[in-house]
Amino acid sequence: AQSVTQPDIHITVSEGASLELRCNYSYGATPYLFWYVQSPGQGLQLLLKYFSGDTLVQGIKGFEAEFKRSQSSFNLRKPSVHWSDAAEYFCAVGAREGRRALTFGSGTRLQVQP
Amino acid sequence: DAGITQSPRHKVTETGTPVTLRCHQTENHRYMYWYRQDPGHGLRLIHYSYGVKDTDKGEVSDGYSVSRSKTEDFLLTLESATSSQTSVYFCAISEGGPATDTQYFGPGTRLTVL
Repeated sequence: AQSVTQPDIHITVSEGASLELRCNYSYGATPYLFWYVQSPGQGLQLLLKYFSGDTLVQGIKGFEAEFKRSQSSFNLRKPSVHWSDAAEYFCAVGAREGRRALTFGSGTRLQVQP
Repeated sequence: DAGITQSPRHKVTETGTPVTLRCHQTENHRYMYWYRQDPGHGLRLIHYSYGVKDTDKGEVSDGYSVSRSKTEDFLLTLESATSSQTSVYFCAISEGGPATDTQYFGPGTRLTVL
């Protein structure tokens, strides 16, 4: 079964600073990989996804993520954080066969300081 | 935004009472999912459906049942609610298939069991 680890429960960055959120997964083959964002009191919104091909994936709101097979990682990055990026971020892994459900990490809460 | 609604959005109930949550989609997607979100656990899959009358268990299915009699509706039932089922419940949908497994989430239902 697949699993996801987000090592950082809470991160604080200054507005304009760069951001990297870590995600490590466990899966026997190349998985589907996703990053979702959740603003307070809201549902989840897809930021970006990796299915195959180019390992650097561009998403919405200026986010990108890089799939590194050798490190079993899919870290999320943004070069310059805006105050509106404050939210909770979830990494998720999906299996290519069988049950098409996602396994989520426990999330990283991002706080942005002015 | 994907056409997903959940009802009710908030509910307070007492231990031992039955509760049904409804997820309705207008996208005609084949797959529907119920997750619960709890602090420190991310989202965990309760049940999912891969077609009308076709459902399967997720990782935290004990105490929950589901039904899907129409493509657009997926019901989650707590037969006898317990305080441990206090949570935020999210419905998700996807078209399915090996290359289209993006999931789209509803706004959530906050359930409190006293």
